[in-house]
Amino acid sequence: SQQGEEDPQALSIQEGENATMNCSYKTSINNLQWYRQNSGRGLVHLILIRSNEREKHSGRLRVTLDTSKKSSSLLITASRAADTASYFCATDGGSYIPTFGRGTSLIVHP
Amino acid sequence: DAGVIQSPRHEVTEMGQEVTLRCKPISGHNSLFWYRQTMMRGLELLIYFNNNVPIDDSGMPEDRFSAKMPNASFSTLKIQPSEPRDSAVYFCASNLAGSWNQPQHFGDGTRLSIL
Repeated sequence: SQQGEEDPQALSIQEGENATMNCSYKTSINNLQWYRQNSGRGLVHLILIRSNEREKHSGRLRVTLDTSKKSSSLLITASRAADTASYFCATDGGSYIPTFGRGTSLIVHP
Repeated sequence: DAGVIQSPRHEVTEMGQEVTLRCKPISGHNSLFWYRQTMMRGLELLIYFNNNVPIDDSGMPEDRFSAKMPNASFSTLKIQPSEPRDSAVYFCASNLAGSWNQPQHFGDGTRLSIL
């Protein structure tokens, strides 16, 4: 069963706009990770946030974590066409075995 | 640095045939993961190894699937006999320290089509 579920399933925006994706999960976690997958390629790790952290930044990426709501968000600021990809959250459910959601498909129009 | 290398990139075969997927993890990584990705079920963990030993194979769908890791630089996932419902993209990933707290590095996958 899916531990993390991303929302929305699909997102279409214009270049320069911000993109926000959400991840909800069911059980307690140690960490939560976000990955990107370009078409026809493997997943690429973007950022890891620990359960005792609330916010983390990496370049144009901002991740928040609310353990009380069992949710996380990924914000991509000033999006570019090259950001077009699927984005996945991965949670461990406390077991250190990662479970991926179905992903959010992001399209950034030039 | 070379990433995780999977072969073949594409495989098309008829049902009933044996299929062998191969993976070379990143040198120095001691954990290896096999995933299957489909539109219906998303990304599923099939099995993972730590120091060449299978730790959890509860995700392996059935006895037709088997995985081996004879040494630290090579792993195989075998399907015998293959069925059309096995069609999917199979990914191999590796990381360091035997804990998923370390980011996983994925190969580009094998796209498998069973006719």
